[in-house]
Amino acid sequence: EADIYQTPRYLVIGTGKKITLECSQTMGHDKMYWYQQDPGMELHLIHYSYGVNSTEKGDLSSESTVSRIRTEHFPLTLESARPSHTSQYLCASSEYLQKRGRPNTGELFFGEGSRLTVL
Amino acid sequence: GDSVTQMEGPVTLSEEAFLTINCTYTATGYPSLFWYVQYPGEGLQLLLKATKADDKGSNKGFEATYRKETTSFHLEKGSVQVSDSAVYFCALSEKTSYDKVIFGPGTSLSVIP
Repeated sequence: EADIYQTPRYLVIGTGKKITLECSQTMGHDKMYWYQQDPGMELHLIHYSYGVNSTEKGDLSSESTVSRIRTEHFPLTLESARPSHTSQYLCASSEYLQKRGRPNTGELFFGEGSRLTVL
Repeated sequence: GDSVTQMEGPVTLSEEAFLTINCTYTATGYPSLFWYVQYPGEGLQLLLKATKADDKGSNKGFEATYRKETTSFHLEKGSVQVSDSAVYFCALSEKTSYDKVIFGPGTSLSVIP
């Protein structure tokens, strides 16, 4: 069973509010990711990180920001939420075995998701 | 660039029916291939994987074989149950970098009693 946790699971807020979605993993994984999942189910990578102090933008442009101050923690922040931000946000992690001279498996471990509704 | 194509859903089957969900991929290198499953209200979890040509991944009665000649990784199960109702994602990851996992669009499966 994967040890990756997201909070809150559900959040309903008004336009203009600042929100932070939390993601924590206890597996010591170096790489972490944020995906946005639209109602049609498709997954879009919005941010990822190779490790502490590393953050990269994903394939889908997003107004959200991320930080990676600790290995286990990868929060996502929206400074001013809008209805267009309504979506499911999934956090994931994986080992970065190339750092240890071993081939990666590529397997991702996902949290249960945070469903955000902006009114 | 790399990509994954899956059969469109939703797919509706009766309990004990045979399931096939088609998946084909385009990759420049030699990827590892995965099937992930997402049950209602949950995140994704790995269902099975295969890392090289002709490998067969299997788990919970599901199987998929890595076919390099047809660039396919079709998911099959001989007898589906109501509890298999979920969204299934085919995915690939290049072994050279594993910088990204490329997901297909997902196929929704509903199994009715």
